[in-house]
Amino acid sequence: SQQGEEDPQALSIQEGENATMNCSYKTSINNLQWYRQNSGRGLVHLILIRSNEREKHSGRLRVTLDTSKKSSSLLITASRAADTASYFCATDTGRRALTFGSGTRLQVQP
Amino acid sequence: NAGVTQTPKFRVLKTGQSMTLLCAQDMNHEYMYWYRQDPGMGLRLIHYSVGEGTTAKGEVPDGYNVSRLKKQNFLLGLESAAPSQTSVYFCASGQGANLATGELFFGEGSRLTVL
Repeated sequence: SQQGEEDPQALSIQEGENATMNCSYKTSINNLQWYRQNSGRGLVHLILIRSNEREKHSGRLRVTLDTSKKSSSLLITASRAADTASYFCATDTGRRALTFGSGTRLQVQP
Repeated sequence: NAGVTQTPKFRVLKTGQSMTLLCAQDMNHEYMYWYRQDPGMGLRLIHYSVGEGTTAKGEVPDGYNVSRLKKQNFLLGLESAAPSQTSVYFCASGQGANLATGELFFGEGSRLTVL
């Protein structure tokens, strides 16, 4: 079974709106990462948050981590059509490899 | 820098045929990975390597073999392809730090169809 599960599976919003996607995981982690995948392309790293951090920002991205609830959220503010992609959370549980969730498909309508 | 390069990008095989996917990275990374991506299932780890000459099994290793003879290359082999191995395969590399897995860099994927 997947270590990380994203919610929702799909999200459609208008340009300018904020997009929030959530990730839940099962076991303790060293860090949690978010990746983006454009259609037909490889994954690109967005942001990494360590287990002792609660919030992190990068440009229009805000990531939160609640280790007590084993959950994380990714917020994309003022979304653009170019943000249309699939977003994956990935957890590092100390096994030297990342475990990926099934992803959230984000569609931003112009 | 090319980053992570996968070859071939597309391949069609018949059941029972063998093939090798090649991954090359030019970032001097220690860690390399092979994942497969199937619709609605995210990425699943097949095999990985934490350094030249090392390999380890991931979540779905059956039917695959790997080799890491050179630090920059990580090969994924299918000895006898099956339709269940139809998938998109992604190679990734990373530096690793203090036993933690940091940012991974991905190739563009290799789409394999087994008839």
